[in-house]
This record gives sequence, C-alpha cells and structure tokens, in this order.
Amino acid sequence: GAVVSQHPSWVICKSGTSVKIECRSLDFQATTMFWYRQFPKQSLMLMATSNEGSKATYEQGVEKDKFLINHASLTLSTLTVTSAHPEDSSFYICSARGIGDPDTQYFGPGTRLTVL
Amino acid sequence: QKEVEQDPGPLSVPEGAIVSLNCTYSNSAFQYFMWYRQYSRKGPELLMYTYSSGNKEDGRFTAQVDKSSKYISLFIRDSQPSDSATYLCAMRRDDKIIFGKGTRLHILP
Repeated sequence: GAVVSQHPSWVICKSGTSVKIECRSLDFQATTMFWYRQFPKQSLMLMATSNEGSKATYEQGVEKDKFLINHASLTLSTLTVTSAHPEDSSFYICSARGIGDPDTQYFGPGTRLTVL
Repeated sequence: QKEVEQDPGPLSVPEGAIVSLNCTYSNSAFQYFMWYRQYSRKGPELLMYTYSSGNKEDGRFTAQVDKSSKYISLFIRDSQPSDSATYLCAMRRDDKIIFGKGTRLHILP
C-alpha cells in the first residue's frame, strides 16, 4: 500500500521556538495533503488542507500565521509551528491523497511535539 | 450535537470473542464511511471503507452501515490480542473526513 512518512517522529523544543515537521508520500504523488492534531484520548482534528502549489485552507479556529503549511511538491508538505507554546504540545499527523485515488487518505505515523 | 459520536470505552473482551464497535452520526451529507485502527503513538491505519448501506466483509472484519438510522458498526470475529488498539470511525463529506473520538479496545488473552 501507499506509504506516508513523517519527520521527526518526536521533538522537544523550548517555548518561543519554531518547529518544522515534514510529511512525505514515498511511493505516490499526493495532490492533496491534510494536517491533523490529536490531543490525548481525543479524536483527530483537521487543521488544514493543502493542495500542491497553492495556499493551504485552514479550518475554523486554526491560526494560519502560527501553523505555516507549505506544499511545494507532489511528495512533500511541511508544517511549521511558529513561536511554539506548551499548549501546542500534541500529536501532529499528516495524510495524503494520491492522483487517481480520490477516495482514500493515507496517514503518516505522526509527530509528537512537546513544548517546554 | 457532534457530527460523529463514538463511545470512547475502554472495551475489554476475552480472546476469541466477537467485538462490536459502533458510531452514530447526525449529518445526512456523509457519503463515505470508514474504520481506522490506531496503535498507541502511531498514525491511523485504514481498515474498512464503504459508501453504501449494508455489510462489507474483509477477513475477520465486517463493516455495517445503516443510513436510515445514521448508525455504523464494525464487527471483529475471533478477536486476537493483536487487535488491541483504538478504533476510529470516520465519515467523509466532500473533501473532509470527520473522525469519531475512537474506542479503546483491549483483547484479554
């Protein structure tokens, strides 16, 4: 099946710093990538949808200036958490939807962010 | 009312038992219904996918959709300890997937 990777798998940073998370589709081209956030014992909450070469669409309540998303190629999307604070600590998961496979999203393994 | 409701559990059953997991939803616009399995600290893995009312079977897993009642189920037969995980129902409308909270399942050896 299609494989999506994320890097890093976990990161610890100091409050006020910025953190970049990469999401890659390894064996397919992803026209659309999605970024989710999951707090402990909670569901996945969609943060934003990004299409290759265009600006991301953010869900209501998600600050686009804080969570910068770049989808510069068909195999790579990045999420940058700017000026991170402890309340941004969460599990961030990306998913990708491929060309010719519009009904299925393939999820990455997630990135655990801890902000001290 | 949330769009998708799912009992978070935990649900503990003995090995070999049949497991029944359920979700209800409120939005008739949902077109596709999915079940994901998520192990601790991992991303979700798609288990089953259907878009019509009725049953769909894949090995030990059966997904059931009742659109008239806005109710979906996942059945696991001959449950194994390796089935212990969180199971999330998910529903798609247009370009968006809405997830349930997930039910934590423990299969007791």
